[in-house]
Amino acid sequence: EAGVAQSPRYKIIEKRQSVAFWCNPISGHATLYWYQQILGQGPKLLIQFQNNGVVDDSQLPKDRFSAERLKGVDSTLKIQPAKLEDSAVYLCASSLAPRGSGFGNEQFFGPGTRLTVL
Amino acid sequence: AQSVAQPEDQVNVAEGNPLTVKCTYSVSGNPYLFWYVQYPNRGLQFLLKYITGDNLVKGSYGFEAEFNKSQTSFHLKKPSALVSDSALYFCAVRDMGGSTLGRLYFGRGTQLTVWP
Repeated sequence: EAGVAQSPRYKIIEKRQSVAFWCNPISGHATLYWYQQILGQGPKLLIQFQNNGVVDDSQLPKDRFSAERLKGVDSTLKIQPAKLEDSAVYLCASSLAPRGSGFGNEQFFGPGTRLTVL
Repeated sequence: AQSVAQPEDQVNVAEGNPLTVKCTYSVSGNPYLFWYVQYPNRGLQFLLKYITGDNLVKGSYGFEAEFNKSQTSFHLKKPSALVSDSALYFCAVRDMGGSTLGRLYFGRGTQLTVWP
């Protein structure tokens, strides 16, 4: 079974530039998550999709971050303009739909994109 | 508010010795608890989870964890550590009673080092 794919693996940009990350979840996984992992901290949820609808984006800095999952499969996370504090690893994860007892479903993570903002 | 605490930034053990990585949590409802492991330059890998039932759950690579409701803890354990267990371990909780139903909260992580 193929895992969660992410690209690029590494990205270096200057502040105020824009950047986009791509994620392709495990086939059949209806739920897709984007996390931000700052060095020395645990992952923090940015946005959760159920199919192509947003379930939770309350922690997404919407003035600069945006995400879409137009066809309910792959997803793109964009930052525009980037700030120094956006330097982090951006992790994409997917899981089976968490409804009912499905909230116990584990999430499967991609390798992440390491973003450095100079 | 939901939170997860991993009180030790680092745990060092000798190969063959038992290991424990500690985790405590705070939620408003029943917790769903998870352990993940992260190797360098790789994403998180699921180890085990507690949803309901037996307080002692067994997971991948010989790891197990004990759910203790009165102490709000979910410590990760392994009877005999291997050098290959050296990695960053994250505890996570899903609050089934809060307003953020379904959101997973992670601890800061504990770096486990097993020396030969």
